[in-house]
Amino acid sequence: EAGVAQSPRYKIIEKRQSVAFWCNPISGHATLYWYQQILGQGPKLLIQFQNNGVVDDSQLPKDRFSAERLKGVDSTLKIQPAKLEDSAVYLCASTGNSNYNSPLHFGNGTRLTVT
Amino acid sequence: SQKIEQNSEALNIQEGKTATLTCNYTNYSPAYLQWYRQDPGRGPVFLLLIRENEKEKRKERLKVTFDTTLKQSLFHITASQPADSATYLCALVNAGKSTFGDGTTLTVKP
Repeated sequence: EAGVAQSPRYKIIEKRQSVAFWCNPISGHATLYWYQQILGQGPKLLIQFQNNGVVDDSQLPKDRFSAERLKGVDSTLKIQPAKLEDSAVYLCASTGNSNYNSPLHFGNGTRLTVT
Repeated sequence: SQKIEQNSEALNIQEGKTATLTCNYTNYSPAYLQWYRQDPGRGPVFLLLIRENEKEKRKERLKVTFDTTLKQSLFHITASQPADSATYLCALVNAGKSTFGDGTTLTVKP
């Protein structure tokens, strides 16, 4: 099966600019996650979708971050305006099983550098 | 507050030896614990899952233990190879939510 696809792979922007990341999960996977991974740290959950509904966005900085999954498949994550501390890798993951022990399938992420 | 600690930032061992990585947690009651491998520039890849009522799980050269009394999981790679060099992440899972540690970088020297 094809894996989780993310684009772009790299993005460099100046602070206060906006940026968007795209994710296409594994076909048929209902649950989609966005994680932020700062260098040297583990992934930190930003938002979780079940189909096109938000399950958990408690860690999403909603004043600048937004995410959507309109048709329950692809998802976009947007940052506007970006800050220096947003420099990180943004990982998308999906699971297809409703069991809570399902492993996460990650994409290779988008590395964002804010200057 | 919840805290997950993985042992020392980097672990260096000789090829053929057993690598042992630790994952300790506080203020958390995970139903499951997962281990992932992450290579530079790549996303994490799932390796093993162990449930709270399981003591040990094995898969080829990998072994995971889970002690809910000590609030600790140990991850062993036996007969280590240079290709095992990577960062290993533990993740505590409860109610569908995975919380990751910061990982341990393992280097296996030939």
